[in-house]
Amino acid sequence: RKEVEQDPGPFNVPEGATVAFNCTYSNSASQSFFWYRQDCRKEPKLLMSVYSSGNEDGRFTAQLNRASQYISLLIRDSKLSDSATYLCVVNGGTTSGTYKYIFGTGTRLKVLA
Amino acid sequence: EAGVTQFPSHSVIEKGQTVTLRCDPISGHDNLYWYRRVMGKEIKFLLHFVKESKQDESGMPNNRFLAERTGGTYSTLKVQPAELEDSGVYFCASSLPTGQGKVCYGYTFGSGTRLTVV
Repeated sequence: RKEVEQDPGPFNVPEGATVAFNCTYSNSASQSFFWYRQDCRKEPKLLMSVYSSGNEDGRFTAQLNRASQYISLLIRDSKLSDSATYLCVVNGGTTSGTYKYIFGTGTRLKVLA
Repeated sequence: EAGVTQFPSHSVIEKGQTVTLRCDPISGHDNLYWYRRVMGKEIKFLLHFVKESKQDESGMPNNRFLAERTGGTYSTLKVQPAELEDSGVYFCASSLPTGQGKVCYGYTFGSGTRLTVV
């Protein structure tokens, strides 16, 4: 089982739709969780950190479910400019005591006019 | 399928020393990218290899950084001499060859090398 798993998509949705992505992680000791957005051939950009209490930033809402070991990203009122790959990133403990970042493979979103 | 592996996972060196980071991409992935995340800042692009050739090295901060990808397989990133501001997490990613239609394939990221310069 991969340490961080995402549905690669693509998710093709009409403009204005609401779309949700999930990401599951296997290491219950994971400490920090993030959603990054990556445009084609560009560097990943931090979209939001994910907290247990959930957090919202405009049209974007992120949730963390530690019991089920998944995080989610909800995008409301999708815009054409939201088309990108969304990367789930988990920063967790290792047996050696150091932390490492585990990237999911990303979920491709395409918002259609 | 083996993922992108990076070595070491963590390195602590003194200012002025040399460190070499290694990245093994997924077999068959011609594209290899290096990125860096300095504490509290965004992930920044360093450079991009297509096979053994440097396609874009516009993100390399200065000539203390040298990246190589001999034979188009694994890549190394050497920092010599290391400075305090070089501390951060260095990520490597790889992707399939870009087709004629310029299709953008997904990247597979390694888990990073945390570099601490003291």
